[in-house]
Amino acid sequence: DTAVSQTPKYLVTQMGNDKSIKCEQNLGHDTMYWYKQDSKKFLKIMFSYNNKELIINETVPNRFSPKSPDKAHLNLHINSLELGDSAVYFCATSGGGTSYNSPLHFGNGTRLTVT
Amino acid sequence: AQKVTQAQTEISVVEKEDVTLDCVYETRDTTYYLFWYKQPPSGELVFLIRRNSFDEQNEISGRYSWNFQKSTSSFNFTITASQVVDSAVYFCALSEVTGANSKLTFGKGITLSVRP
Repeated sequence: DTAVSQTPKYLVTQMGNDKSIKCEQNLGHDTMYWYKQDSKKFLKIMFSYNNKELIINETVPNRFSPKSPDKAHLNLHINSLELGDSAVYFCATSGGGTSYNSPLHFGNGTRLTVT
Repeated sequence: AQKVTQAQTEISVVEKEDVTLDCVYETRDTTYYLFWYKQPPSGELVFLIRRNSFDEQNEISGRYSWNFQKSTSSFNFTITASQVVDSAVYFCALSEVTGANSKLTFGKGITLSVRP
């Protein structure tokens, strides 16, 4: 069983479209995240949810909206996709005590290509 | 603001060489955690190690070793007798506590290529 699974693995779409990426975890962790990895491999946090509550929202455009229907899921919806949104998006979880000292467990990433 | 600097961008070595990946960090927190992650060509991110700010003991795990020096704000990673399978991008990261949660600040990564 994959601990943190993301779908789809690849997503190719045109500018202006709306798309969603799904993330599910079976680790029982309370905190889930979305990270973006750009073409230069730089990893940056986008959002953090703890127990379905939004905790961290890093200056991300309003076109990005995370949704956590339950503790095991954190989905990312993107409206009006732009070329600059092309990147690899990683879902991650942490748990087992205070989240700042817990290692992140990452999904395998979703490669989004906007044409 | 927290910052992680990985000054080396690309390193290329021949198999069996030792290689050290440097990481320098900045933080105002007295309590913090440092991490190393590996991203092989397949793209997944693999956790390697966690170290808290109060524990300056070096750690060794097989061919991997980590040297944490608070005095120089460094957390360097050494691979002994490198192997082709060590080829990957390696990220150093620093954990910042923001209220009840944390976020990781990553360095820009070091691409390690190990040639046979």
